[in-house]
Amino acid sequence: AQSVTQLDSQVPVFEEAPVELRCNYSSSVSVYLFWYVQYPNQGLQLLLKYLSGSTLVKGINGFEAEFNKSQTSFHLRKPSVHISDTAEYFCAVSDRGGYNKLIFGAGTRLAVHP
Amino acid sequence: DGGITQSPKYLFRKEGQNVTLSCEQNLNHDAMYWYRQDPGQGLRLIYYSQIVNDFQKGDIAEGYSVSREKKESFPLTVTSAQKNPTAFYLCASTPTSGKGDTQYFGPGTRLTVL
Repeated sequence: AQSVTQLDSQVPVFEEAPVELRCNYSSSVSVYLFWYVQYPNQGLQLLLKYLSGSTLVKGINGFEAEFNKSQTSFHLRKPSVHISDTAEYFCAVSDRGGYNKLIFGAGTRLAVHP
Repeated sequence: DGGITQSPKYLFRKEGQNVTLSCEQNLNHDAMYWYRQDPGQGLRLIYYSQIVNDFQKGDIAEGYSVSREKKESFPLTVTSAQKNPTAFYLCASTPTSGKGDTQYFGPGTRLTVL
């Protein structure tokens, strides 16, 4: 069975500072990895995903993530955050063998302060 | 504009009542999904449908039912058998049921049981 652990439930950061949101997964098979963002009382929006190829994935809004197979991690980073990045961020995994079922982490709430 | 619509945005239910949440997409996507979101728990899959007239249970299907009579519609009924239905419900769709497809989410319905 697969699982996703987001290591921080909340991350406070000042505006224009760098941020890293951590995600580890466990799976006995090869996986696809996703990061989604959710603004208050809204649905989720895809930030980026890793399917294959380069382990450094660039997404929307200046975010990027690096797939590390040996450490089973997929951490999300941004070099300089804005107030508008305040939201909840979800890491998700799906295995390559089954249908397109996503297993989500519990989420990390990013709070950007002026 | 193509997208997923969910209605109503807020729904209040008395204990013992069944309620139906609407999900419509005009993206011509084959697969549709229903998730439940509770604070601090991420998203959990209730039901999914890969094609019209076919659907499968997800991880927490007890107390819920769905239908998929049309490609664009995937309504979810929360029955009185669901013991703790107060939650945020999200509908999603993917172009196919293929692995790695991006899931596109609707804006959600917040259900409160009074």
